[in-house]
Amino acid sequence: GAGVSQSPSNKVTEKGKDVELRCDPISGHTALYWYRQSLGQGLEFLIYFQGNSAPDKSGLPSDRFSAERTGGSVSTLTIQRTQQEDSAVYLCASSFAGGRNQPQHFGDGTRLSIL
Amino acid sequence: QKEVEQDPGPLSVPEGAIVSLNCTYSNSAFQYFMWYRQYSRKGPELLMYTYSSGNKEDGRFTAQVDKSSKYISLFIRDSQPSDSATYLCASQGGGNDMRFGAGTRLTVKP
Repeated sequence: GAGVSQSPSNKVTEKGKDVELRCDPISGHTALYWYRQSLGQGLEFLIYFQGNSAPDKSGLPSDRFSAERTGGSVSTLTIQRTQQEDSAVYLCASSFAGGRNQPQHFGDGTRLSIL
Repeated sequence: QKEVEQDPGPLSVPEGAIVSLNCTYSNSAFQYFMWYRQYSRKGPELLMYTYSSGNKEDGRFTAQVDKSSKYISLFIRDSQPSDSATYLCASQGGGNDMRFGAGTRLTVKP
């Protein structure tokens, strides 16, 4: 079966531009997560969607970051007015349901480079 | 202090060696413990998933959790070059509180 799909796999853009990253979770998974992975820093939680509940945005680093999830499936992470420190790998994960006893399954990420 | 601490390595071992990877955590509410393997330019892949204290074995891999000391371990027996990857530990309580270690980079040399 299909796993978590992310696009694009790589994105290079100039400082100040807006970028959109897409995540298509595993079919039937109601929970969706975005993480940022910087070199040697591990995974930094960004935002969490669970069904129709209000998303947990507590990990978003600034108001330049936003995310939405349409129809409980595909999600888009948007970074406005990109800065060089936004360069990282952005990973999406999904699970059957949020919370306990539900391991997360990851996509291969979008490698974002800000020039 | 991070909630989950992991030595980033790098760790290099000869083929066939027993590998020990370790993490510590600080949140007493954590009950679920995971190990992920991440190959270069790929997403993390779930390797082991355990609940509370104890051992769990899957082939050459054994995950060990000691909640009294807040210590998580992953042992790899008869290590192979294909085990070369970054290993991430993760811990979770009951909600959206999963926290990851920084990852240990492992190289198994033929």
